[in-house]
Amino acid sequence: AQSVTQLGSHVSVSEGALVLLRCNYSSSVPPYLFWYVQYPNQGLQLLLKYTTGATLVKGINGFEAEFKKSETSFHLTKPSAHMSDAAEYFCAVSPGGYNKLIFGAGTRLAVHP
Amino acid sequence: GAVVSQHPSWVICKSGTSVKIECRSLDFQATTMFWYRQFPKQSLMLMATSNEGSKATYEQGVEKDKFLINHASLTLSTLTVTSAHPEDSSFYICSARDGQGLNTEAFFGQGTRLTVV
Repeated sequence: AQSVTQLGSHVSVSEGALVLLRCNYSSSVPPYLFWYVQYPNQGLQLLLKYTTGATLVKGINGFEAEFKKSETSFHLTKPSAHMSDAAEYFCAVSPGGYNKLIFGAGTRLAVHP
Repeated sequence: GAVVSQHPSWVICKSGTSVKIECRSLDFQATTMFWYRQFPKQSLMLMATSNEGSKATYEQGVEKDKFLINHASLTLSTLTVTSAHPEDSSFYICSARDGQGLNTEAFFGQGTRLTVV
């Protein structure tokens, strides 16, 4: 069975500090991996995705993530947090391609001055 | 990127009534659409997958007679919550897959907040 675990339901950082949101997955077939951001009462916006090829993927708003097969991880990072990054972040796995998405529980990122 | 529009963005209805939520792909043809439900401060749970012109495939535990899904055209899918009750209050989000092939990305609508009173 496929699943996604996001470590830390809440993460708080200072403006300008490194952002690290953790995601581990399990999948019986090569997965596609995604990070989405959700602002209050809105849908999901794709930050970045890994399908095949280069394991370090860069997304929008300065975010990037690295697929590490040996660690079954796909952690999201950003070198310097902005106040506007405060939102809910979801990691998702799609087993074997663009199939239905299985989401993690989400991590709420707070950025304080 | 491709645009998926949901309507309405929020709705309040009385207990026992039915509510229809529309999901439209505005600039592409969506052969597959997905419906998700999100409870407050929780993740998205897939309710069903609908393919244009065929019956929806529901996830385990989702009542197909309560959550009616119609995907009659390549640009429109609807979710009807029948005989809604307060426990159906939730945030409903659709996503649509661009293109006819299987290896294409899905794009999300902005969601619909349903409150049943």
